[in-house]
Amino acid sequence: GENVEQHPSTLSVQEGDSAVIKCTYSDSASNYFPWYKQELGKGPQLIIDIRSNVGEKKDQRIAVTLNKTAKHFSLHITETQPEDSAVYFCAASIGNQFHFGTGTSLTVIP
Amino acid sequence: SAVISQKPSRDICQRGTSLTIQCQVDSQVTMMFWYRQQPGQSLTLIATANQGSEATYESGFVIDKFPISRPNLTFSTLTVSNMSPEDSSIYLCSVRDRGGSQPQHFGDGTRLSIL
Repeated sequence: GENVEQHPSTLSVQEGDSAVIKCTYSDSASNYFPWYKQELGKGPQLIIDIRSNVGEKKDQRIAVTLNKTAKHFSLHITETQPEDSAVYFCAASIGNQFHFGTGTSLTVIP
Repeated sequence: SAVISQKPSRDICQRGTSLTIQCQVDSQVTMMFWYRQQPGQSLTLIATANQGSEATYESGFVIDKFPISRPNLTFSTLTVSNMSPEDSSIYLCSVRDRGGSQPQHFGDGTRLSIL
């Protein structure tokens, strides 16, 4: 079955710097890759997603890149702000199944 | 995206008792799912709630322990039965409007502690 690995598990950056979170997946049939942000006491919220026919997608300060050959995808957050502090989860989807990464706790230091 | 409401938001229960968690969506959705999230951990799928038929459970989860109902396209319940401290966790409902390359959307979860 699909296995999604996520790194790093924790990440601290200074406000204004960039943050990068990386995920790898094992099943080449995976074709949809969402990213979720989970704040304390809340459920995961979709922040950006990418489909397998696209290599990069950007939404303001957030971007996601996908390398299908290497089976990895990354989340890039630029000009980080304290409100970006949260746990981020990547996921890889095949059909109706979502396989989640283990999460990255991001802390943005003011 | 759909607005998902879960009740209760949190509860503290005695071991051996059962608790039913409700998930209400503000629009009809094709798929509803129940997840468990241990503190500081990732999300583990418990089951897919199928409208009008029995839920589909993942390996390690059984109907006797986690009975699920889905009477219509906007509502589902998850019961955690005969609870033990190991059941202390966050239980999350999620929905997906249709299959293919579409996201799941999550409720804010039910934080359950078993004494």
